Amino acid sequence: QVQLVQSGAEVKKPGASVKVSCKAFGYTFTGYYIHWVRQAPGQGLEWMGRINPNSGGTNYAQKFQGRVTMTSDASVSTAYMELTTVTSDDTAIYYCARTRTGTPILNWGQGTLVTVSS
Amino acid sequence: DIQMTQSPSSLSASIGDRVTITCRASQGISKYLVWYQQKPGKVPKVLIYAASTLQSGVPSRFSGSGSGTDFTLTISSLQPEDVATYYCQTYNSDHMHTFGGGTTVEIK
Repeated sequence: QVQLVQSGAEVKKPGASVKVSCKAFGYTFTGYYIHWVRQAPGQGLEWMGRINPNSGGTNYAQKFQGRVTMTSDASVSTAYMELTTVTSDDTAIYYCARTRTGTPILNWGQGTLVTVSS
Repeated sequence: DIQMTQSPSSLSASIGDRVTITCRASQGISKYLVWYQQKPGKVPKVLIYAASTLQSGVPSRFSGSGSGTDFTLTISSLQPEDVATYYCQTYNSDHMHTFGGGTTVEIK
């Protein structure tokens, strides 16, 4: 069955970078977009962007432009999200999720808690 | 980026009440609108997609309507298991897939 398995929790100091991975199982990795969504403690869902693993093309939310990089490696069916220059405001659970063009998110990763603290 | 404005941000209603949540897009998104339900500690679950299509397995008390910029999620008869936070999201491939701010539903 379809599974998205994310890397483990991270603790980072302000100003550092964090990279989260998302390994796909049970489907053709290049056939679906991978999205990244975050949720700060007690807050709402925030869409960060998406990558097309087939072409490598990306779309980023304006808020994260210049600070986020989404990549993928089809040889290991894995997508990555790197966020640079983190602050305490970036403390959140980061989810990967998959969609096809014109479809909503039906499959989510388990989430990766990123904590930014000095 | 497109903005999605949900209202209210929270509501309290009695069991059996009809509950309505609205979502407004800052530009037209046709019917590329999905409603999710999220319970604490869980990932979001699709209730309604394409603005008005009920996802398989979702109780029929949930319904959606709208197109263009204005959308509504209705719970026809609120049940205890409906306590959750509800989010709208656009998934039009021409736009950023922005979420609304969420609506927390509680039982009065």
